[in-house]
Amino acid sequence: GAVVSQHPSWVICKSGTSVKIECRSLDFQATTMFWYRQFPKQSLMLMATSNEGSKATYEQGVEKDKFLINHASLTLSTLTVTSAHPEDSSFYICSARDITGLAKNIQYFGAGTRLSVL
Amino acid sequence: AQKITQTQPGMFVQEKEAVTLDCTYDTSDPSYGLFWYKQPSSGEMIFLIYQGSYDQQNATEGRYSLNFQKARKSANLVISASQLGDSAMYFCAMTDNQGGKLIFGQGTELSVKP
Repeated sequence: GAVVSQHPSWVICKSGTSVKIECRSLDFQATTMFWYRQFPKQSLMLMATSNEGSKATYEQGVEKDKFLINHASLTLSTLTVTSAHPEDSSFYICSARDITGLAKNIQYFGAGTRLSVL
Repeated sequence: AQKITQTQPGMFVQEKEAVTLDCTYDTSDPSYGLFWYKQPSSGEMIFLIYQGSYDQQNATEGRYSLNFQKARKSANLVISASQLGDSAMYFCAMTDNQGGKLIFGQGTELSVKP
C-alpha cells in the first residue's frame, strides 16, 4: 500500500511554544490530506482537511488560528500547533489517499505524533 | 449525518479461534465506503479491509473478512485463526465519495489469549 510518513513521532515542548508536525506521502501525490486528533482511549476525531494549494477546511469547533495547516506541495502537509498549552497534549495523526492508484478509496495513515505540552 | 457505532468496548478471543467485531452504520448517502483499521499500542493506524457500498461480494483480505449486510447497515469484521499479534484496538470507519473524510466508531479493544 501507499506510504505516509509523519514526523516527529514524539515531541515535548514548553507551554507557549509552537510545534510543527509534518506529513508526507512518500510514493504518491496527495492533493488532499487529513489531520486527526486522538485522546487516550478514545476514537479519532477529524480536525481538518488539508487541500494542496488552497486553504484547509476545518471541522466545527477546531480553532484555525490555533492549528495552522499548510499544504504547499502534492506530497507535504504540515500542522502547526501555535502557542501550545497542556490541553493541546494529544496524539495527532495524518492520512492521505492515492486517488490515482488502484486503491483510490483507501486512506493511509502516518505513524502519528504524540505531543506533550509541559 | 453519517454515524458509525461499535458496541463492543472490549473482546477476548483464544489464540487460533475466529472472532467477530461488530460495526453498524447510518447514512443517507447511497454511495459510501466502509473500512476497518487496526491500531496497536504504538498508535499507527493500519488499514485492514475496505467495502464499497455497491460491491456485490464481501471483501476479504487474508485472515480478515468483512460481513457486509447492507439492509441491516452492518459491516462486521471477522478475523480467522487469531494470533497474539492481533491484540490491538480495531476501528470501523466510513466515508462518503465526496470529501473522503473518515468518520470513526468508538473502537473495540481485542485481546488474544494464548
